[in-house]
Amino acid sequence: QKEVEQDPGPLSVPEGAIVSLNCTYSNSAFQYFMWYRQYSRKGPELLMYTYSSGNKEDGRFTAQVDKSSKYISLFIRDSQPSDSATYLCAMRSSGNTGKLIFGQGTTLQVKP
Amino acid sequence: GAVVSQHPSRVICKSGTSVKIECRSLDFQATTMFWYRQFPKQSLMLMATSNEGSKATYEQGVEKDKFLINHASLTLSTLTVTSAHPEDSSFYICSARDTERTDTQYFGPGTRLTVL
Repeated sequence: QKEVEQDPGPLSVPEGAIVSLNCTYSNSAFQYFMWYRQYSRKGPELLMYTYSSGNKEDGRFTAQVDKSSKYISLFIRDSQPSDSATYLCAMRSSGNTGKLIFGQGTTLQVKP
Repeated sequence: GAVVSQHPSRVICKSGTSVKIECRSLDFQATTMFWYRQFPKQSLMLMATSNEGSKATYEQGVEKDKFLINHASLTLSTLTVTSAHPEDSSFYICSARDTERTDTQYFGPGTRLTVL
């Protein structure tokens, strides 16, 4: 079993829809949770960064962490065609290496 | 936000030659940088952790003599693919850890290597 599980999709939604992206994990030592967006042939871009449980909102994006369920989510409101990309969840423990464990990535397509 | 550059963005070389890829943190100092490899439609595969002033830590299965990493300053790490072969063709991405602000990784734009 992988440490981080993420449905690769693809996920196709109409423009304006609310998108929900999720990851589950098995390592209870994870405390830092990130969401990256990656366009084709580009490096990943940090979207959201959260520590421990709770919600964090930034514009159209909301990240949720439920440590008791080992489940994290990214919500995208009013989705746009420009949101079409691969979304990677990543997480790490509080150790000094800073090494991230990534999900497989979910490919999202927002249709106009 | 934190910016990481990578150079070159793409390179084509002949089999047997060596290729150097540079990774720079432009607006922060990074004692730790990471090198990843990514195959089409797959997630990132960590190759090694690069620590400023010390030897890199390689992941299991990654040949340290083939993928040479040097982290000579707080803003620059280099990856050299030695004696490249067609199977080394891939998308290589670096990241730099910003410990001053978010303490997470910021990625470069990637380098596409094609070995003929």
